[in-house]
Formats: sequence, C-alpha cells, structure tokens
Amino acid sequence: DVKVTQSSRYLVKRTGEKVFLECVQDMDHENMFWYRQDPGLGLRLIYFSYDVKMKEKGDIPEGYSVSREKKERFSLILESASTNQTSMYLCASIRGVRTDTQYFGPGTRLTVL
Amino acid sequence: GENVEQHPSTLSVQEGDSAVIKCTYSDSASNYFPWYKQELGKRPQLIIDIRSNVGEKKDQRIAVTLNKTAKHFSLHITETQPEDSAVYFCAARDYNKLIFGAGTRLAVHP
Repeated sequence: DVKVTQSSRYLVKRTGEKVFLECVQDMDHENMFWYRQDPGLGLRLIYFSYDVKMKEKGDIPEGYSVSREKKERFSLILESASTNQTSMYLCASIRGVRTDTQYFGPGTRLTVL
Repeated sequence: GENVEQHPSTLSVQEGDSAVIKCTYSDSASNYFPWYKQELGKRPQLIIDIRSNVGEKKDQRIAVTLNKTAKHFSLHITETQPEDSAVYFCAARDYNKLIFGAGTRLAVHP
C-alpha cells in the first residue's frame, strides 16, 4: 500500500520565519508534487519534481521553493512566511505520470501569525 | 495550459437521490480525467477515473462520463448515502501534472 507522509499535521509560525514542510513517500515514485488547498480555489500546484534534484514551477510558485535531494523526500520551503500563506498544504506522489494513480499525503495545516 | 472548471460548488441532496457534478476542460490534448473524494479532515483519494478513449465508466454506484467534443466530463452518484458527503474534485492531466477543479461540497441528508 502506497504511503505518503508529511512531517506535521498542524504548524503555527510567525511572519518572516523560514518554514520547512517535508513529504516522504515509500513507494519509489519518481514524481512528487506540492499543492495548496484553499476553500473555493481547489488544489493549486505550487511546485513539482520528476526526479532527484529536478524541479518545475507549478501555477503559484511565488514565495516558495523546493528541494529534492533524495528520491523519497520532497521539501517545500517558505523562505519568509507571510500571513497569506496560511493554508492547507498537500503533498502527492505518482510513479509514472502517464499511467498511475496519484496519492496524497494527509496534509499540513499551516497558520502564519 | 489546461484550465478546469467545476460546478456546482455546493450540492445538497436527500439520501437515495442521485448527484451529478460537472467539469469542463480547455486543452483538447488532455487524455486522463480522475475524480478524487476528500472527506472532512482526510486526504483526497481517487474514486474513479476515465481515459479519453472511453466514453463512460462505472463502479457500483458511481459513474463518470466523458464528452471529448464538448470537453466536459461528469461524475454521477446514484442512491446517495450519508457517507457520500465529502468534497469532490475533478482533474485533467496536462502533460505531466494534474490540474484540479475548485471542488464540489456534497451534502447527503438522511
């Protein structure tokens, strides 16, 4: 059974702090994604990675960066958190983008004060 | 790039009724359309998907239809039950990533 885990379920940070959200998958998936979920806006893609050290911008990359040093781990970084980054963050992974099901992590609810 | 629109944003039905959620997409090259269900406090999970070479797919009480000409696809849930209450997301594959609709909150009342 595919398992996608995220480092925290809830996180509270202050404006200006550097924030790390981590995602780990245990199924040797090549592709990993970070989404942001806000009411009425659905799931918006922030960044994705199709291989170690590779990354591509999604639809809303501003204010975020990512790191993928190992195949199983994909980190989302908020260099200087702002209140408008308060949201639910969901990680996802998939083995082959063209053929397989995408699996989601449980989400991290981030509050920036 | 791909754009997906989903309607309605909220849907309220009585237990036993049918529910239909509709999505439209913009890129005629899209060839894969999954539907995800997200229960309160839980992660989205795939419930059904359809590929562009198929017009309809069923799995027990749920079905998805695809009209490639009109570029829209729909989720149909029959004999709804309270446990069907959730947020449903449609998506379309844009080359190497999924583009999601805004979601539909379905409430099934006993």
